[in-house]
Amino acid sequence: GQNIDQPTEMTATEGAIVQINCTYQTSGFNGLFWYQQHAGEAPTFLSYNVLDGLEEKGRFSSFLSRSKGYSYLLLKELQMKDSASYLCAVADSNYQLIWGAGTKLIIKP
Amino acid sequence: GAVVSQHPSRVICKSGTSVKIECRSLDFQATTMFWYRQFPKQSLMLMATSNEGSKATYEQGVEKDKFLINHASLTLSTLTVTSAHPEDSSFYICSAREGRAGGSPLHFGNGTRLTVT
Repeated sequence: GQNIDQPTEMTATEGAIVQINCTYQTSGFNGLFWYQQHAGEAPTFLSYNVLDGLEEKGRFSSFLSRSKGYSYLLLKELQMKDSASYLCAVADSNYQLIWGAGTKLIIKP
Repeated sequence: GAVVSQHPSRVICKSGTSVKIECRSLDFQATTMFWYRQFPKQSLMLMATSNEGSKATYEQGVEKDKFLINHASLTLSTLTVTSAHPEDSSFYICSAREGRAGGSPLHFGNGTRLTVT
């Protein structure tokens, strides 16, 4: 079956760095997405990786290793507004998105 | 950037009534739109894929007669929850892919919080 695993919850301190991991097993692979979702709101797109390596976008970076079925989202200089759920999603061979359950990130002052 | 507009943002209805939710792509054409449902503290669950000019494709376990989808144009898809019951109370979110390539990100509407009393 298809499976996306990410931690349920993480806690970090304002100003620090946090890494949210995602491992996947899917029928085919056409890219991995990271989305941010604040409570009660719809997800917003953060990043897309289809080739191995690191994609940097401001304070956020996303890494992919296809051979390991592994990705991480790195958040630097954490701000209180970064408190949200972070969703990992993989596009399978049919370009259907398979969603992880999300990682709730709690930022403490 | 691509914008998806969803309306209404909140709706409260009585059990047995029907509710229509609209999803519009404002600055791009979307041949395919996706409807998701999300219960509290749970992940997004794909309900159906809405295809312009043809019938929607429903995920297993989703009643097509209860959740009517109409994709009348390249910029509008509607989801109608018919004969709503309290267990249908949830957060419904539509999304659309800007480009045809599978690597194009999904852009989400702001969601509709449905409460059935």
